[in-house]
Amino acid sequence: QVQLHESGPGLLKPSETLSLICSVSGDSITSYYLIWIRQPPGRGLEWIGFVQSSGNSNYNPSLKSRVTMSVDTSKNQFSLRLTSVTAADTAVYFCATGTGWTAESWGQGTLLTVSS
Amino acid sequence: ENVLTQSPGTLSLSPGERVTLSCRASQSVAKNYLAWYQQHPGQAPRLLVDDAYTRATGIPDRFSGSGSGTDFTLTISRLEPEDFAVYYCGQFATAPITFGQGTRLEIK
Repeated sequence: QVQLHESGPGLLKPSETLSLICSVSGDSITSYYLIWIRQPPGRGLEWIGFVQSSGNSNYNPSLKSRVTMSVDTSKNQFSLRLTSVTAADTAVYFCATGTGWTAESWGQGTLLTVSS
Repeated sequence: ENVLTQSPGTLSLSPGERVTLSCRASQSVAKNYLAWYQQHPGQAPRLLVDDAYTRATGIPDRFSGSGSGTDFTLTISRLEPEDFAVYYCGQFATAPITFGQGTRLEIK
């Protein structure tokens, strides 16, 4: 069973850049779609996008101009970078994996708060 | 994008009851790539059903998914206390991936 764990800053100021890492254990990330999803407090799920170790990626058009995802197969990790954050980016950020586009295994999530 | 609408928003039920949750898509979901998730407070969503009707590993058989095209349902045949949570549907056929707004199951 794949296990995932997100790590990140917790708190950022508006206009700063978010960098999150998802560490994966139990299997090689080369087998999966590597997915990021977020959930604002008290609200529903928003798909951010996915990346594969091949470099293939697909981002939500609503965030595409600010998002970059990357993969480090040597560490079995993948990462999310989101630039120019605002209060609207306050959310729990989940990483997930899937053998297809479906998010099958999830991390526990990490809360990002954007506040001055 | 394919907008998913879940109904009802909230349901108040008792353990032992049967419940059917609805998820309607604004466009047909290709190959029925529709999944259902359960989320308890403070936890990550858990995949229950994939491809509209395939239960995920370890999911009890009281959970069943059905539907095709634009109309999908998740049925819980007999509610257990641990089933009271928020349920989301998500379509994984076309980008951007989209989710419904969720249905909350409350204990009556």
